[in-house]
Amino acid sequence: SAVISQKPSRDICQRGTSLTIQCQVDSQVTMMFWYRQQPGQSLTLIATANQGSEATYESGFVIDKFPISRPNLTFSTLTVSNMSPEDSSIYLCSVEETQKQFFGPGTRLTVL
Amino acid sequence: ILNVEQSPQSLHVQEGDSTNFTCSFPSSNFYALHWYRWETAKSPEALFVMTLNGDEKKKGRISATLNTKEGYSYLYIKGSQPEDSATYLCAFQASGSARQLTFGSGTQLTVLP
Repeated sequence: SAVISQKPSRDICQRGTSLTIQCQVDSQVTMMFWYRQQPGQSLTLIATANQGSEATYESGFVIDKFPISRPNLTFSTLTVSNMSPEDSSIYLCSVEETQKQFFGPGTRLTVL
Repeated sequence: ILNVEQSPQSLHVQEGDSTNFTCSFPSSNFYALHWYRWETAKSPEALFVMTLNGDEKKKGRISATLNTKEGYSYLYIKGSQPEDSATYLCAFQASGSARQLTFGSGTQLTVLP
């Protein structure tokens, strides 16, 4: 199964700043997914990132707020821009392999 | 918007008790139903991927059933142990090229010693 790492594991940020989360996979994958879980909510898909093309965003998420890079088949970044306290969440990246989705350990973000 | 619901939201059981949770999902455009176990500060761990109506899967003391026609799945834990304490998530995967997962809000299980 794919092994996924994320950096940072957690951060506390000030309102109005931006944070870039990195996701590294130990194998080449076509699609990578970015999710978030706000407190008390379910995991929600933010966007799907394919290598070589622009990410596809779900309803309610826009590129200006959550720009995504996918420079190669093993790496992706998600930036949370101009943060507000409502962005406090756990952010996870995931990949699909043999019909299963594997998740990174998540980045716990707190915005003050 | 796909509606995936889980019940109960949280559950406390005594060690040794058996328990079960429910996941309901759309009965159309079904591709797969996933169950995950998510412990705090760890990655969600895939338990089962279920694709066929009537599927039953088992992993140790945990098993799951699937009814795609009526849109529900049950997860059973036999003889709960404190290490089973976690949030159990189900996720619906619709047919189509994207096939991303739509998650329920989870059932938070606490097993008391």
